[in-house]
Amino acid sequence: NAGVTQTPKFQVLKTGQSMTLQCAQDMNHEYMSWYRQDPGMGLRLIHYSVGAGITDQGEVPNGYNVSRSTTEDFPLRLLSAAPSQTSVYFCASSRPTGRTEAFFGQGTRLTVV
Amino acid sequence: SQQGEEDPQALSIQEGENATMNCSYKTSINNLQWYRQNSGRGLVHLILIRSNEREKHSGRLRVTLDTSKKSSSLLITASRAADTASYFCATDGGNTGFQKLVFGTGTRLLVSP
Repeated sequence: NAGVTQTPKFQVLKTGQSMTLQCAQDMNHEYMSWYRQDPGMGLRLIHYSVGAGITDQGEVPNGYNVSRSTTEDFPLRLLSAAPSQTSVYFCASSRPTGRTEAFFGQGTRLTVV
Repeated sequence: SQQGEEDPQALSIQEGENATMNCSYKTSINNLQWYRQNSGRGLVHLILIRSNEREKHSGRLRVTLDTSKKSSSLLITASRAADTASYFCATDGGNTGFQKLVFGTGTRLLVSP
């Protein structure tokens, strides 16, 4: 059981480039979320989804897009990377009922130069 | 920002000692969780306490919750070098699921042999 898988683990982008961070879970969880983690701060919510076809913004959504075409996948797109988006990105999934925890991927460390 | 705060920011102790870290949050909650993050890794769930609970134990972990003060504490007893990690509290912000977790700023724990 792989849990939550994020790819790539590391990425360096030039300012203005675009890319997609991949997130996949094999636990059939309805809820999925993207967070960013910056030094000295906890994780902050970027976007989240409560099911296929449903997405919504979190606390820091600017510069990011998401889509949820399947239950398993929740990609995060950076349309035009900026140095302020240098961060570690975490994807998480959970179920809406009987829940006791959220499951996190190992993270993607992104550097924008 | 809804982000909670944790103190201390960093804690250094010897093996066998107890470690206590505190978390304050800003909104009403249904439950509060604690997560551990080893360096360069994803977050791992430790324990969940519901808003109608005041104390919960799991192995060497003891969590307390005071909803009137919007605060929680995590006690790790008889600490080990393997407990060295960052610890984060996370609340559901009053939501019915874990899709919009609000994290504290974290406590970095160093346990020396």
